[in-house]
Amino acid sequence: QSVLTQPPSASGTPGQRVTISCSGSSSDIGSNTVNWYQQVPGTAPKLLIYRNNQRPSGVPDRISGSKSGTSASLAISGLQSEDEADYYCAAWHASLNGVVFGGGTKLTVL
Amino acid sequence: QVQLVESGGAVVQPGGSLRLSCTASGFTFSIDAMHWVRQAPGKGLEWAAMIWYDGNTKYYADSVKGRFTISRDNSKNTLYLQMNSLKVEDTAVYYCARDPPQSGWAFAMWGQGTMVSVSS
Repeated sequence: QSVLTQPPSASGTPGQRVTISCSGSSSDIGSNTVNWYQQVPGTAPKLLIYRNNQRPSGVPDRISGSKSGTSASLAISGLQSEDEADYYCAAWHASLNGVVFGGGTKLTVL
Repeated sequence: QVQLVESGGAVVQPGGSLRLSCTASGFTFSIDAMHWVRQAPGKGLEWAAMIWYDGNTKYYADSVKGRFTISRDNSKNTLYLQMNSLKVEDTAVYYCARDPPQSGWAFAMWGQGTMVSVSS
């Protein structure tokens, strides 16, 4: 059972916009910034969004993040086949003194 | 080349010990916090441990506390994870990840992972 809650799956057709939600509590998302990772099966995860809405160099601007209260969202517009992967949210948990992850969302491009 | 390379994964019996290493190159290792994150077969990501840039502060997930020890040698650009009293449920790919200053606990770069299998 993950501390952060994500939907197990999401899907969209090429060119569509999809969003993935991440729900937490006042001890994690509510008091710290959220980071998002993309993992193509069989490979290491890759940082997509840090500090709620910042993109590392090389991440396209069709990928964006937001946070409100104890929830966060990842949005991918102009969906492409290469976006098919697992997506994880994460945040620092003040009481646990550690990083907590969501259970992951498998994105399928139909 | 900026990279993290893990090593030390193996098959070990329950109750056994193992030490993982993560060698950094291409960036200033000594200013970054470092983490170990694991992923059991077919499962999601689980944070295991972290160490501050100077090695003076360490945090552990409850699932590994008291059994695993994270450490680093900044003179060798290397991160370690000493794993004792291993359990079947510790079977996973173990990734090291760098957490640069001001990143908001973000894992900016990951290694390729090393597999640990705990089985009798």
